[in-house]
Amino acid sequence: DQQVKQNSPSLSVQEGRISILNCDYTNSMFDYFLWYKKYPAEGPTFLISISSIKDKNEDGRFTVFLNKSAKHLSLHIVPSQPGDSAVYFCAASARDFGNEKLTFGTGTRLTIIP
Amino acid sequence: DTEVTQTPKHLVMGMTNKKSLKCEQHMGHRAMYWYKQKAKKPPELMFVYSYEKLSINESVPSRFSPECPNSSLLNLHLHALQPEDSALYLCASSRGQGVSYEQYFGPGTRLTVT
Repeated sequence: DQQVKQNSPSLSVQEGRISILNCDYTNSMFDYFLWYKKYPAEGPTFLISISSIKDKNEDGRFTVFLNKSAKHLSLHIVPSQPGDSAVYFCAASARDFGNEKLTFGTGTRLTIIP
Repeated sequence: DTEVTQTPKHLVMGMTNKKSLKCEQHMGHRAMYWYKQKAKKPPELMFVYSYEKLSINESVPSRFSPECPNSSLLNLHLHALQPEDSALYLCASSRGQGVSYEQYFGPGTRLTVT
């Protein structure tokens, strides 16, 4: 049972426009969410995170929005740049001290078109 | 230095072989992780070590045996694997165990079991 879902396996966006990547989750115990980016032949790298007490977190060109009632989060990248082309993973965790672990989504491949 | 290194990059082994995957970090991180990633699937947690002690084992078969000889090193000993164990094995580390600590991933070892 996939508790974290990224329903779009791929997304193409024109350079300079906004990229919006979506993620849905089913476990209501999840209270911390992260986005990771992965280039081929490299490990995932952390991008941005959000706690369930917030509905928005911004870091430069990256903004994550959390809608707890809809169990949905999204990552906005604006403006999109060619170097943003990668696979993006959404991840979630429940607060369980000493037993916290990340559950990853299946990933969305973002391609930025120059 | 924010690098997690993994050796080897690629490994092909038979079902009767014994081999080991190695992971190293010099960031002073006290939590280290093994993940398994199959093609077109998300990374799945296998083991977590915190302060060199095994804190999470996600019901991984005993043919996978983790070892943390010191705070900088993490090994995964492999014995009598099955072809379905073929996957990308990712190591990660973080300052502490807990999802609010950013996890740094290595590039992975691509394992093929023949």
